[in-house]
Amino acid sequence: SQTIHQWPATLVQPVGSPLSLECTVEGTSNPNLYWYRQAAGRGLQLLFYSVGIGQISSEVPQNLSASRPQDRQFILSSKKLLLSDSGFYLCAWVDRGRFQETQYFGPGTRLLVL
Amino acid sequence: AQKITQTQPGMFVQEKEAVTLDCTYDTSDPSYGLFWYKQPSSGEMIFLIYQGSYDQQNATEGRYSLNFQKARKSANLVISASQLGDSAMYFCAISNQAGTALIFGKGTTLSVSS
Repeated sequence: SQTIHQWPATLVQPVGSPLSLECTVEGTSNPNLYWYRQAAGRGLQLLFYSVGIGQISSEVPQNLSASRPQDRQFILSSKKLLLSDSGFYLCAWVDRGRFQETQYFGPGTRLLVL
Repeated sequence: AQKITQTQPGMFVQEKEAVTLDCTYDTSDPSYGLFWYKQPSSGEMIFLIYQGSYDQQNATEGRYSLNFQKARKSANLVISASQLGDSAMYFCAISNQAGTALIFGKGTTLSVSS
């Protein structure tokens, strides 16, 4: 069966520091991968998606970037964090099996920028 | 552009009762998918149910069913026989025109009491 991992689970970082969040998927190959951000009490906002290694599409201009160095690995980065980067970051992958384009989410990373 | 509207910020129900969570959507795409996710306090987004725009029958998954009214552009989630563990935030989502991401509503908080 497929599983999706994210780490770290929680992170507290000072403003201006770098960021690296990692997402890996097991049990599938060549998945579409997604990064979402959720502000407190709000819905999810799509940040990046990737349809393959090295292929990244950005949905929202910001100081974040994403990379996909391996088929099942998706990384979210920043060179200098802003206070507004605080939030809950969720990685997701698509299962094109039973339900078309259903996205399954990882456990998420809570980021607090101080 | 697609849009999801969830007008109920909070809903309260007693155990074993049924509850309906409202969702209306807006899209100009003739083909789309509608999704419901559950987000407990742990933060993980849990996929519940999917409805395709061309599906003739309403989707059902165990205690979850989707009341799909295409002409009204509504996709309400019905939870039968509520349980304490159903207390969570519930999000309705629609696939975007490119099929590359989901557009989420702001969510409805469901509280189940004994």
